Amino acid sequence: DTEVTQTPKHLVMGMTNKKSLKCEQHMGHRAMYWYKQKAKKPPELMFVYSYEKLSINESVPSRFSPECPNSSLLNLHLHALQPEDSALYLCASSLRGESTDTQYFGPGTRLTVL
Amino acid sequence: GNSVTQMEGPVTLSEEAFLTINCTYTATGYPSLFWYVQYPGEGLQLLLKATKADDKGSNKGFEATYRKETTSFHLEKGSVQVSDSAVYFCALGVNRDDKIIFGKGTRLHILP
Repeated sequence: DTEVTQTPKHLVMGMTNKKSLKCEQHMGHRAMYWYKQKAKKPPELMFVYSYEKLSINESVPSRFSPECPNSSLLNLHLHALQPEDSALYLCASSLRGESTDTQYFGPGTRLTVL
Repeated sequence: GNSVTQMEGPVTLSEEAFLTINCTYTATGYPSLFWYVQYPGEGLQLLLKATKADDKGSNKGFEATYRKETTSFHLEKGSVQVSDSAVYFCALGVNRDDKIIFGKGTRLHILP
């Protein structure tokens, strides 16, 4: 199984809502990532969890809150977002969390903030 | 610092044409080099990878050779298909770094 799954596929939320994005992998990978991708741009790294500990936070605003309940699951909690946060949110995983590892990406959650 | 430069798109070709997408890099140390592809409405997926100089990565008819002397990793395919229409990202990873560096992406349109 080389699949990373993400739910939901689409999400529309208001600026006062609280929602969560979910990501799951069963490849035994020990690193999981959240990326934000705007149209016609490469993915921008937001967070990295390595062995279930937050190892990278790319100065992301606190309205985005990651959580890694176990080595297979990754959540991104959203609160008080702004319209400019509308984007495709991609989850990825890799074996060890080293930059020379292949990253496996999920299909993404298309988020629209009204 | 580490960086990746790839040709700006969009690139539009007819089916069965020869494809080259240029990618050059700057890196300290000895990077691994990747090409990822993103089909419309999907996440990224690894197309091919090379971990040391003179390695050739290949997959689905695509090839790229790790050229240390020219710091390049150009993507080629001899005969493209409509189904190859996608965005292609060149990327590098350097040992002891914990994040990969993506190029800006090249959008490819193949006309039937």
